Amino acid sequence: GAVVSQHPSRVICKSGTSVKIECRSLDFQATTMFWYRQFPKQSLMLMATSNEGSKATYEQGVEKDKFLINHASLTLSTLTVTSAHPEDSSFYICSAILLAGEKETQYFGPGTRLLVL
Amino acid sequence: QQPVQSPQAVILREGEDAVINCSSSKALYSVHWYRQKHGEAPVFLMILLKGGEQKGHEKISASFNEKKQQSSLYLTASQLSYSGTYFCGTPRRAAGNKLTFGGGTRVLVKP
Repeated sequence: GAVVSQHPSRVICKSGTSVKIECRSLDFQATTMFWYRQFPKQSLMLMATSNEGSKATYEQGVEKDKFLINHASLTLSTLTVTSAHPEDSSFYICSAILLAGEKETQYFGPGTRLLVL
Repeated sequence: QQPVQSPQAVILREGEDAVINCSSSKALYSVHWYRQKHGEAPVFLMILLKGGEQKGHEKISASFNEKKQQSSLYLTASQLSYSGTYFCGTPRRAAGNKLTFGGGTRVLVKP
């Protein structure tokens, strides 16, 4: 399958600081990437859709000024959690869409575990 | 709306079979299945595109009944490596085919 990487895999930061998470599609180009958040023992909740060359679209209830998304190239999307607070601690996962004929498959990155103290 | 998965959890012995169901209140055009190990990201298992379609991955297979708006994942002769949380994802056609995931089914395979 296709490979998606995320960096960092784990980050601990102080409350009020900003954290940047990178998502890369390593062996394919992705015009669309998604950012999810997952709390312990819960399902994946879509935060936003990252589109190369245009603004990200956010799901209802997700603050776009707090979660800044930049899709600078066909292989890289970044999520910046600005002024992080303890309640932002979570597992952040990105995915990239691979198109193959009529099939549109999402491949997930390994995730970034964020802990805000 | 989130698809509904059942059961929420299942414990089985190595070699036993299990079925995980995923149902939707809205029309389904495709169903995606993923498995997530603890502390890791979800791994793609298979996608079912057409009604009645069946697919397989290792000894894990799935069926899709678009009329009933549901899909089932079959774990046959389960192995220890099958342990994890299984999620079904259904695309929202009105939202660029974004996937909405079910609540997940935790599977624990014991020796």
